[in-house]
Amino acid sequence: DQQVKQNSPSLSVQEGRISILNCDYTNSMFDYFLWYKKYPAEGPTFLISISSIKDKNEDGRFTVFLNKSAKHLSLHIVPSQPGDSAVYFCAASGGNNNDMRFGAGTRLTVKP
Amino acid sequence: KAGVTQTPRYLIKTRGQQVTLSCSPISGHRSVSWYQQTPGQGLQFLFEYFSETQRNKGNFPGRFSGRQFSNSRSEMNVSTLELGDSALYLCASSLPAGLYGYTFGSGTRLTVV
Repeated sequence: DQQVKQNSPSLSVQEGRISILNCDYTNSMFDYFLWYKKYPAEGPTFLISISSIKDKNEDGRFTVFLNKSAKHLSLHIVPSQPGDSAVYFCAASGGNNNDMRFGAGTRLTVKP
Repeated sequence: KAGVTQTPRYLIKTRGQQVTLSCSPISGHRSVSWYQQTPGQGLQFLFEYFSETQRNKGNFPGRFSGRQFSNSRSEMNVSTLELGDSALYLCASSLPAGLYGYTFGSGTRLTVV
């Protein structure tokens, strides 16, 4: 059951521009949302998170926005850098489960 | 502090065999979760253990099983391997899930031939 969906398998942006990665979820019981970044041959690393009581969380170049009514969240990276090129996973947890559910990932390529 | 350690890093097995993968969590983390990553499918949740008890299980057949020991180390076992089991298997440890997120190991790349 795909409770967390990332509908764009890939995204390509120019260095210095904004990258916007999107994620949708279906389970209204989720109350924590996270983004992970993954390089080849490594495990995913935690990037940024947001609680359902907030609609925005910012950490340096990374900002996550949450729209609960639309069950949608997005990750903005400004400005994008070539080192940001990786696969980004959206994840959600909460409700009756203690586990975390992940989307299929979006491969971001930032071109110099 | 040491991160999450998964062994082995790479494994090649034949169809029908069984395999055991190991995960040592970060010291103090009592929750261990397992995920399967395949191209286009993202991270599929296998199961989560806390204090030696399986708390949650994903939609995988019974050939996939796991356990957790008193020191929080965890193993997962796949019996009667199929070609479709070829994937990167990731282990993650955490304090309770939530804003703290998970810390992942580097994974075990399993290839079934």
